[in-house]
Amino acid sequence: EDQVTQSPEALRLQEGESSSLNCSYTVSGLRGLFWYRQDPGKGPEFLFTLYSAGEEKEKERLKATLTKKESFLHITAPKPEDSATYLCAVFNSGAGSYQLTFGKGTKLSVIP
Amino acid sequence: ETGVTQSPTHLIKTRGQQVTLRCSSQSGHNTVSWYQQALGQGPQFIFQYYREEENGRGNFPPRFSGLQFPNYSSELNVNALELDDSALYLCASSLGQSSYNEQFFGPGTRLTVL
Repeated sequence: EDQVTQSPEALRLQEGESSSLNCSYTVSGLRGLFWYRQDPGKGPEFLFTLYSAGEEKEKERLKATLTKKESFLHITAPKPEDSATYLCAVFNSGAGSYQLTFGKGTKLSVIP
Repeated sequence: ETGVTQSPTHLIKTRGQQVTLRCSSQSGHNTVSWYQQALGQGPQFIFQYYREEENGRGNFPPRFSGLQFPNYSSELNVNALELDDSALYLCASSLGQSSYNEQFFGPGTRLTVL
């Protein structure tokens, strides 16, 4: 069974204090790892898809990387508007079912 | 280009009642997936519809059912509501089923069961 574990559960950063969020996964044949951002009471907003170990993608202050067992979301010089819950998910196409299996998320708070 | 929309925004029901939630997929998308997100948890996959056929189901009982219409909009029906059904219900649309097709989420429907 696919499993996704995110750490830490919550992270408080000062504005400008860079850090990383971790997503470790167990999946039989990775077909894609996704990062989403979710603001309170809203649907997840797509950030990145990574497909193979060694792959990296960047968007503004965010950079996602992927190894064979985990993914990191690096946040450089965060701003208060980066405060949100960041969700990691793996794509499963086993048994004819195409679904995303999500972790519980990391709640990021950036303090001015 | 219109994004994914869901209705209603909020809903309050009592135990044992039935509820129907609606989703309009993003223009051009033929695949709709439904997820349940309890407070403080990540979304959990309920089922997916591709070209009006159910195409995969998560670990949810048969009282969770759905439909997809020819215009690719979709409904989620839940019968015999239980207190644990209280959650944010998310719909996501994509063009096709593979991981190369990003899933775009709607704003969700917040269901409260009393």
